[in-house]
Amino acid sequence: GESVGLHLPTLSVQEGDNSIINCAYSNSASDYFIWYKQESGKGPQFIIDIRSNMDKRQGQRVTVLLNKTVKHLSLQIAATQPGDSAVYFCAEIFKAAGNKLTFGGGTRVLVKP
Amino acid sequence: DGGITQSPKYLFRKEGQNVTLSCEQNLNHDAMYWYRQDPGQGLRLIYYSQIVNDFQKGDIAEGYSVSREKKESFPLTVTSAQKNPTAFYLCASSTLPGSEQFFGPGTRLTVL
Repeated sequence: GESVGLHLPTLSVQEGDNSIINCAYSNSASDYFIWYKQESGKGPQFIIDIRSNMDKRQGQRVTVLLNKTVKHLSLQIAATQPGDSAVYFCAEIFKAAGNKLTFGGGTRVLVKP
Repeated sequence: DGGITQSPKYLFRKEGQNVTLSCEQNLNHDAMYWYRQDPGQGLRLIYYSQIVNDFQKGDIAEGYSVSREKKESFPLTVTSAQKNPTAFYLCASSTLPGSEQFFGPGTRLTVL
């Protein structure tokens, strides 16, 4: 089946630095992409989304970039804080497949003080 | 407060027993979902329901069953046929299929 994302790698980042989390997706027809943040023992929380007709979207301290040519999605976190330590998942939605959300394996972000 | 609740937070069962996990939402969302998460892994879709009295199998439905008799409730039963049921189970809902999903806090099931 179609797959999104990477198996769980870890990104260590110094507090105050910018973080970039990458995600490769395989379904070029996906319509919509979401980044979720999951803290230990909790459910995922929505961070930001982007539709397939966009290249970039900005939120508060976060930016999502979509490169459809190479089927790549990234999440940039500005001025990373200790509270940003979590696992980050990208997810894709392909409407023709019943609008199911397909999650990648996630990236663990560890913020060093 | 609006949101999704799952109960219990921790659940233990003996091998061979069925167990039902609760998921309730008061967000008036039409679509609801169940996912399974194993340690260090992503989420895998078990079942989803786009409307009351209707549901579809996800990617790993074997050994699980669901019902959707009410809009706000989507219970998941882990049956004895599920060979490896120990996992973290997450329920989610969305206004429409394919829109942002809101997640509950999860239930950690351990089979002894």
